[in-house]
Order: sequence, then C-alpha cells, then structure tokens
Amino acid sequence: GAVVSQHPSRVICKSGTSVKIECRSLDFQATTMFWYRQFPKQSLMLMATSNEGSKATYEQGVEKDKFLINHASLTLSTLTVTSAHPEDSSFYICSARDFEGAGEQYFGPGTRLTVT
Amino acid sequence: GEDVEQSLFLSVREGDSSVINCTYTDSSSTYLYWYKQEPGAGLQLLTYIFSNMDMKQDQRLTVLLNKKDKHLSLRIADTQTGDSAIYFCAESREGYQKVTFGTGTKLQVIP
Repeated sequence: GAVVSQHPSRVICKSGTSVKIECRSLDFQATTMFWYRQFPKQSLMLMATSNEGSKATYEQGVEKDKFLINHASLTLSTLTVTSAHPEDSSFYICSARDFEGAGEQYFGPGTRLTVT
Repeated sequence: GEDVEQSLFLSVREGDSSVINCTYTDSSSTYLYWYKQEPGAGLQLLTYIFSNMDMKQDQRLTVLLNKKDKHLSLRIADTQTGDSAIYFCAESREGYQKVTFGTGTKLQVIP
C-alpha cells in the first residue's frame, strides 16, 4: 500500500519556540493532505485540510496563525507550530489521499510533540 | 454534523472472533473505513467499504454494513495477540473530503 512518512517522529521543544513537522507521500502524489491532532485516549481531531498550491482550510477552533500549514508540492506538506506552549503537546498525525486512488486515505506514523 | 460512535473497549480470547461495532449518523456517507492504531503509532488503513456494498471480506477481516440502520461492523476471525490495538471506524461523504472518526475501540486479546 501507499506510504506516508512524517518527520520527526518525536520532538521536545521549549515553550515559545516553533516546531516544523513534515509529511511526505513516498510513492504517490497527494493533492490533498490532512493534519490531525490526537489527545491521549481520544479520537483524532481534524485540524486542517491542505491542498497543494493553495491555502489550507482550517477547522473551527483551530488558530491558523498558530498552526501554519504549507503544501508546496504534491508529495510534501508541513505543519509549523508557532510559539509553542505546553498545551500544544500532543500527537500530530498527517494523512494523504492518493491523487489517482479511490479516495482511501493513508496515514503517517505520527509526531509526538512535547513542549516543556 | 457528522457523528461516529463506537464502544470503547472489547476483550476477547486468542483464537476467538472479535466483532467491533460502529454507528454513524450521516446518511450521505459514501466511504466507511476501519483503521488500526498500535500504541504510539499512526493509523493503518485496514479496509474500507463503499456505501452501496453490504459486505466486504479480506482474509481474516469481514466488514458488514447495514445502511438502513447506519451500522458498520468489523469482524476479525481467529483473533491473535498481535491484533491488540485501537480500532477506529470512520466515514466520509466523498473520496476527497474529510474523514470523521469514531472514538476508537480498544481491543484486548487475552492469550
């Protein structure tokens, strides 16, 4: 099946700094990528939908100036958490849809962010 | 809005069958998915079914869809300890739209 990678897999940063997370589709082109956030023992919450070459669409309640999303190519989307705070600590998961696929969505392994 | 619900926990003995249930509210759902998440890892797509299908079987996995009742189930035959994980039911209206996830069902397999 299709593979989606994320980098880094785990990051610890100090409060007030910014962190960038990369999401790559390795063997397919993805015009649409999604960013999710998962809190402990909870389901995934969609943060934003990222379309290649256009601005991301953010879900209600997600601060677009805090969670910057860039989808510059058909295989790469980035999520930058700006001025991170401890409450931003979470598991961030991206997913991508195969441009030529039937609509199935493939997920990355996730990035665990800890803000100290 | 869309809502997807699952029971939170299921415990089965190794070798038995597991059945994980899911209900959804969006009658426009077109795609229904089952994902597996192992501890500390991302999601793995197990299988999906289109809303015009009643059943889909893939090796040990059987998905049943009752569109009238908006009920989806995942049956795992001959459950193994490696099947222990959280299983998420999810739905989307069309292939390129956002996916709404259930809360996840934690499957515990007892040796």
